[in-house]
Amino acid sequence: QVQLQQWGAGLLKPSETLSLTCAVYGGSLTNYWWSWIRQPPGKGLEWIGEVFHSGRTNYNPSLQSRVTISADTSKNQFSLRLSSVTAADTAVYYCGRHLSGTRAFDVWGQGTMVSVSS
Amino acid sequence: EIVLTQSPGTLSLSPGERATLSCRASQSVSSNFLTWYQQKPGQAPRLLIYDASTRATGVPDRFSGGGSGTDFTLTISRLEPEDFAVYFCQQYGGSPLYTFGQGTKLDLK
Repeated sequence: QVQLQQWGAGLLKPSETLSLTCAVYGGSLTNYWWSWIRQPPGKGLEWIGEVFHSGRTNYNPSLQSRVTISADTSKNQFSLRLSSVTAADTAVYYCGRHLSGTRAFDVWGQGTMVSVSS
Repeated sequence: EIVLTQSPGTLSLSPGERATLSCRASQSVSSNFLTWYQQKPGQAPRLLIYDASTRATGVPDRFSGGGSGTDFTLTISRLEPEDFAVYFCQQYGGSPLYTFGQGTKLDLK
């Protein structure tokens, strides 16, 4: 059974860069799309972007200028970097796998709470 | 951007009752790529229904999805105590590629 384990810094200051990594256990990065999704406290979900094992990416236009998502098949991991963070980026960040052949997220990481505060 | 509007915002029901949740899209959803998730406090979302009507592995058959185009529903035929949670719909297509509804909270009456 595939599991995702994510980690990264939980407290940032404005203008810093958010960096999170998600490791895939019990399966392979290969031949799947992988996404990052965030959820501000008490609010809904926002898709940040996705990466294929080859490195091909798609981003949410609202975040595109600040986002980089990459995949490392040798480590079976993928990562998120979000630059120039502000308080509006405070959220729980999830990594997720796309169910093969569909546009749904079937496996999710445990979530990382990231707070941005001076 | 395809905006998903979920209704009602909160639904108060009792165990054993039937729940019907609505998700309306501002434009037609591509190939019925409409997905439903369940989220409990402090947990990641759980996939319930994809492609509008296909139950994910391990999801009880009391959960069913339907609809097409711009109008979709999630039905829970007989509520169990563990079903009280927040439900989100999500679509694929347009820009951004994926958007979510604001959620419906299913409350214990």
